[in-house]
Amino acid sequence: GENVEQHPSTLSVQEGDSAVIKCTYSDSASNYFPWYKQELGKGPQLIIDIRSNVGEKKDQRIAVTLNKTAKHFSLHITETQPEDSAVYFCAAPNTGFQKLVFGTGTRLLVSP
Amino acid sequence: SQTIHQWPATLVQPVGSPLSLECTVEGTSNPNLYWYRQAAGRGLQLLFYSVGIGQISSEVPQNLSASRPQDRQFILSSKKLLLSDSGFYLCAWSVTHLVKDTQYFGPGTRLTVL
Repeated sequence: GENVEQHPSTLSVQEGDSAVIKCTYSDSASNYFPWYKQELGKGPQLIIDIRSNVGEKKDQRIAVTLNKTAKHFSLHITETQPEDSAVYFCAAPNTGFQKLVFGTGTRLLVSP
Repeated sequence: SQTIHQWPATLVQPVGSPLSLECTVEGTSNPNLYWYRQAAGRGLQLLFYSVGIGQISSEVPQNLSASRPQDRQFILSSKKLLLSDSGFYLCAWSVTHLVKDTQYFGPGTRLTVL
């Protein structure tokens, strides 16, 4: 089955800096990689996803890169703002069982 | 547009009491539905998923059960709660059963078992 590892578990940056969160996966057949943002007391919200036919995808200050050979993908947030503070989760599909396997989350704190 | 609702938002229950959490989805038909649990400071653990009415798949053995009495309604239940059942319960939906299909989460229910 799929195994997803996420690092770091916590990340503190100053406002305006960049933040990078990395995930590795084990199933070479995986082809869809979403990233979710969860604010305190709320459900996770999809912020960006990438499919295996591309190596990078951008949406304003957020980007995701995918290295299928190395089986890892990363979330990049540029020009961080205090409202980016949240827990971020990556996920990868367990293709054998048609479900998503989530990483353990990264708590991002952006200080003004 | 599609929306997903969960209730109650918070719940405090004594050990041994029953549980019923409800999730409904609006604006779509025959969604794939999921129940996840999130322990404090932890990731998301898939509990159940359903591809249609009356079709429930269980991911982990536990004293919880799920039911789907209607197309867009998903219920999480327990006959007797344990302390370890405390957590943040999240319902999610996707358009199809395909794992590459985006899952959308509800607002969650915070359950505290005392």
